[in-house]
Amino acid sequence: SAVISQKPSRDICQRGTSLTIQCQVDSQVTMMFWYRQQPGQSLTLIATANQGSEATYESGFVIDKFPISRPNLTFSTLTVSNMSPEDSSIYLCSGTARETQYFGPGTRLLVL
Amino acid sequence: QKEVEQNSGPLSVPEGAIASLNCTYSDRGSQSFFWYRQYSGKSPELIMSIYSNGDKEDGRFTAQLNKASQYVSLLIRDSQPSDSATYLCAVNAPGAGNNRKLIWGLGTSLAVNP
Repeated sequence: SAVISQKPSRDICQRGTSLTIQCQVDSQVTMMFWYRQQPGQSLTLIATANQGSEATYESGFVIDKFPISRPNLTFSTLTVSNMSPEDSSIYLCSGTARETQYFGPGTRLLVL
Repeated sequence: QKEVEQNSGPLSVPEGAIASLNCTYSDRGSQSFFWYRQYSGKSPELIMSIYSNGDKEDGRFTAQLNKASQYVSLLIRDSQPSDSATYLCAVNAPGAGNNRKLIWGLGTSLAVNP
């Protein structure tokens, strides 16, 4: 299986601020994704992180709110901008290796 | 809108019994199907993948796929209390741009009682 790490593992933030989450994957991973999972809910795909170009966002998610970078094959960041309490969630980085998707440990975000 | 549906449960089975988890999907073009297990407070981990009609066995787990009926199931034999978790069904489908993505069910909560 692919090794995926994320940081921070959790954070508590004030509304109106921004938080950047980092994701590091091992070299087996080809595609990288960012998900959100709200309490009691399933996974919602935010975007596909593309190496060296703009991320591909799913319906309902925009770059101004969730800017994503992927400067190289094994690293990506997701920023949650101008946060509100509704952004409180678990954010998960995911990578695909050999057609199988693996997940990082997640970042628990609480916005006050 | 492509959909994946699961019974949310909770599904409660006694230790040693067979747990049967079901999932239906709407996109007839889907080719890849996955079962993930998610413990509370943890991220999902892959249990089984299946691509062809029929059964696929791995230890105590068996995935069953029927593309004509658009359902995929997961059987857990000799259920253990450690199997208690939420089981997520995921189906590969077209995503934004030229990417493919996984469509996720809401998950079935399984409780195995000692």
